[in-house]
Amino acid sequence: EVQLVESGGGLVQPGRSLRLSCAASGFTFDDYAMHWVRQAPGKGLEWVSGISWNSGSIGYADSVKGRFTISRDNAKNSLYLQMNSLRAEDTALYYCAKSERQWLQRGYFDYWGQGTLVTVSS
Amino acid sequence: QSVLTQPPSASGTPGQRVTISCSGSSSNIGSNTVNWYQQLPGTAPKLLIYSNNQRPSGVPDRFSGSKSGTSASLAISGLQSEDEADYYCAAWDDSLNGQVFGGGTKLTVL
Repeated sequence: EVQLVESGGGLVQPGRSLRLSCAASGFTFDDYAMHWVRQAPGKGLEWVSGISWNSGSIGYADSVKGRFTISRDNAKNSLYLQMNSLRAEDTALYYCAKSERQWLQRGYFDYWGQGTLVTVSS
Repeated sequence: QSVLTQPPSASGTPGQRVTISCSGSSSNIGSNTVNWYQQLPGTAPKLLIYSNNQRPSGVPDRFSGSKSGTSASLAISGLQSEDEADYYCAAWDDSLNGQVFGGGTKLTVL
C-alpha cells in the first residue's frame, strides 16, 4: 500500500524558515517524480514544486521561486521542502504527492499524503 | 486567480447527471492531458480521472471526462449523496513549466 506521510509543519514567524519532510513507502520511491501541492485555508489547490526521480529536473511555482528548495533522498525514501523567508500567504496545508512518471514534466498525481499544516504568523 | 477556470459551484439531485467545465489555454489544456481530482470534505485530494478520460481502478464508471481544444469537462451521472465534494481540474502548463489547477468546483447534492 502506498503511503505518504508529511511532517515538519507548525507555527512560524514571517521571515523565518521551516523544513517539511515526506516519508514514502509501499512503492519504489526512486522510480517516480514527486511534488508538493498546497492548499490555503478555504482555498483551492496550488502546485508548489516538483522534482524528477533523479533530482535532475526541478520546478517551482513563481510564488515560491527563490525562497523554497525541493530535494529528495532516495536512500531514505524521503522528499523535502526547505521553506525560507516565509510569508503570511504561505500559510497552507502542504501535501506531498506522487507522480505516475519519472520525469517532472506532465503527468498526474496518483497518490497524496494527508498534509502538514504551515501557519506563518507573528 | 487560477490558470484554469472552473465554475465555483454546481448542484444536482440524486440520480441526475451533472457536468463541470474547465477552461484553459493552448499552453496547458490545448497541448497536454487533463486530470481531475476529487476532494471530499476534510480529506486529501484523490485522483478521479487522468489523461482526459481514464478512470483509476476503483473509480465508478459514473464518472467520465472529456477534452476538446482548450477545454475539458467532468461528467457525473447517477448522482449520489457521497459525490458531494470539491472537484479540481489540472494540467501541465508548458509556458509556466509547472502543474496548474482550476479554482475548484463545489458540488452540492440537493
